[in-house]
Amino acid sequence: KQEVTQIPAALSVPEGENLVLNCSFTDSAIYNLQWFRQDPGKGLTSLLLIQSSQREQTSGRLNASLDKSSGRSTLYIAASQPGDSATYLCAVLNYGQNFVFGPGTRLSVLP
Amino acid sequence: GAGVSQSPSNKVTEKGKDVELRCDPISGHTALYWYRQSLGQGLEFLIYFQGNSAPDKSGLPSDRFSAERTGGSVSTLTIQRTQQEDSAVYLCASSLAYRVGAFFGQGTRLTVV
Repeated sequence: KQEVTQIPAALSVPEGENLVLNCSFTDSAIYNLQWFRQDPGKGLTSLLLIQSSQREQTSGRLNASLDKSSGRSTLYIAASQPGDSATYLCAVLNYGQNFVFGPGTRLSVLP
Repeated sequence: GAGVSQSPSNKVTEKGKDVELRCDPISGHTALYWYRQSLGQGLEFLIYFQGNSAPDKSGLPSDRFSAERTGGSVSTLTIQRTQQEDSAVYLCASSLAYRVGAFFGQGTRLTVV
C-alpha cells in the first residue's frame, strides 16, 4: 500500500528565504508526482507535475525534483514571499490510477 | 467550464438526513475523483471513475456512501443517513490523462449537526 509522508509538518520563515519541502513515498510504481497548494478553506491548486520519467520541473520561483528510485521529491521555493503562505501537498499517482496524498507542510512566510 | 465546479459550496444538514454533492468536471476529462478532507486531516480517497469502466469504490468508508457519474460527465456523491463524523470538505478532481495531472474543485464543506 502506497504511503506518502511530508517533512516538515510546519515551517515558518522570514520573507526572502529560500526553502525546501520534502515528500517521500514507499512504492516507486507511480505514473507521476504532483505538488499542490491549498489556502485555508479553499480547494487545491496544482503547482507542478513531474512525470515518472522526469527528474525535475520548474515554474517561476518553484522547482520540484523527483528521485523515483529512492522515493523522494523536493519542492524548492526561492525568495519566499508572504503570499506563499499556505499548505503544500504532494500526491503520487499510482499504477492503480489513484492519487495518494501526503499530510502536507504548513508554510508561513513572515513579512 | 474553465475549471472543476462543485455545488453546493457549503451544506449544513441534520443528522440522519441524506445529502447529494455535485461535481462538474472539466469538459472532456475522462477521469473523475472524489476525496474527503476532515478538519486538520489529509486527503482521503473515496472513489474514482475512468471513462466507461467500473468505478474504483475501494475508498468509500461505508455503504451509506455512493456515487454515480452520468454520461461520463457530471458526478453526484450521495451520503445517506448522515452522521456527525461525515462532516468534512468533499473535494472533486478531474483529469484528462495521467500525463496532465489532476485539477481540483473548490470543494463542498459538509456540516452535520
